[in-house]
Parts: sequence; structure tokens; C-alpha cells
Amino acid sequence: EADIYQTPRYLVIGTGKKITLECSQTMGHDKMYWYQQDPGMELHLIHYSYGVNSTEKGDLSSESTVSRIRTEHFPLTLESARPSHTSQYLCASSASRVGMNTEAFFGQGTRLTVV
Amino acid sequence: AQSVAQPEDQVNVAEGNPLTVKCTYSVSGNPYLFWYVQYPNRGLQFLLKYITGDNLVKGSYGFEAEFNKSQTSFHLKKPSALVSDSALYFCAVRDRNQAGTALIFGKGTTLSVSS
Repeated sequence: EADIYQTPRYLVIGTGKKITLECSQTMGHDKMYWYQQDPGMELHLIHYSYGVNSTEKGDLSSESTVSRIRTEHFPLTLESARPSHTSQYLCASSASRVGMNTEAFFGQGTRLTVV
Repeated sequence: AQSVAQPEDQVNVAEGNPLTVKCTYSVSGNPYLFWYVQYPNRGLQFLLKYITGDNLVKGSYGFEAEFNKSQTSFHLKKPSALVSDSALYFCAVRDRNQAGTALIFGKGTTLSVSS
């Protein structure tokens, strides 16, 4: 089992609320990612980080923001949730090794429903 | 640009029969290739990867995949399917010359194994 944790697993929240999805990993990985996935559908990269104080936007435009103040922690925040944000959010991490590109490890996901 | 194609939305096989889930990729350089499996309401679990060396890669749960550079393919295979193999399967790629980038995923293939 990978040591990467997401909380909450499920969240139902009203429109306009601010939410933060938590993601933590204990593997010491420097790279972390957020993917958005509608049920049974493809994954879209929305944010990634190569290390502390490094954040980049992914291929899919998202109104969410991320921060990376500590290596192990990569929270995602929505300032004002809307029904269009309803989706599953998957956090992942991977290590950087010179000459070797390792797989990414995924958390269990947070299924967000905005009503 | 990197991309991954999984041409089949769904693959149906009978238990005990061999299965193949297809994946083709496009990268500007040499690829790192991965297969992941996702069960309902769960994150992605790593199955296997091709980095270098033997073109036939063996992974978890009896799965294997064959890297074919000329056909730019990385099909997932298993000699004898189990009902418990029913899940959503994702192929992913990263360009070896762009080691810092995130994985790019295909759209996923639903595998259904009937008893």
C-alpha cells in the first residue's frame, strides 16, 4: 500500500463554500500532483509541484489553487465551490531519481459533490 | 506533445480466457510506460512499468505487458482472466527526455470478466 492519504474521502457541500482537500504523503517524494476525474472517465492533470514552494498548473484549467509549504503536504483549495466542481479529485506523488523515472502513487481520492 | 490512446472503451472476456487491453502512445523521445488499475470509488493502483530492458514486463496479479517500439504499443495482457480483474484500466506515458513532467493518462478501458 502506498503511503499517500487524502481527506475527506467524500464531501457534500453547498454552493459558494470554501473547501480544502487535503493530501499528505510519507514517502519523502518531491513531486506531487492533483488529477480531476469524473466517475469512470479519464484523468486530467490540474496541478503539480516539483518541490517546496513550487506549483504549476496542469493541462486542464481549474479554478482551484494549491500550495506546497512542506514536502509531505499538498492541499487543494476551492475558494467558492460550484456544482461544476463536482468530481473526484486524486492526489499522487512520485520520486525524482537521476536516470530513473518512477511510477506515481495515488491516494484513495476525494469525491466532491457541490449542491 | 505526449499522448496515450486506449482504443477500446470496454473489453469483455469470459473467466479463464486470455485478456488483452490495448494501448498506443506518442512521445517525441523514448517513453516510460505504465499501467494502472482502478476499482470503484478507489484511487489508482500501480500494476507495472516499462523503463528499459526486456520488452516483456511482468507486474502485479499475473498481468504482463509487451513494449513494441515499432508499433508504439504497450498492450496489457493476462493468460487467464479472473472475475476479480473486472475494473477500469489506465495506460500512462512519460517522455524519458522530460523526466520532470507528470504522467499522461489514456481515457481508460473498462474490463468486464464474466463467470
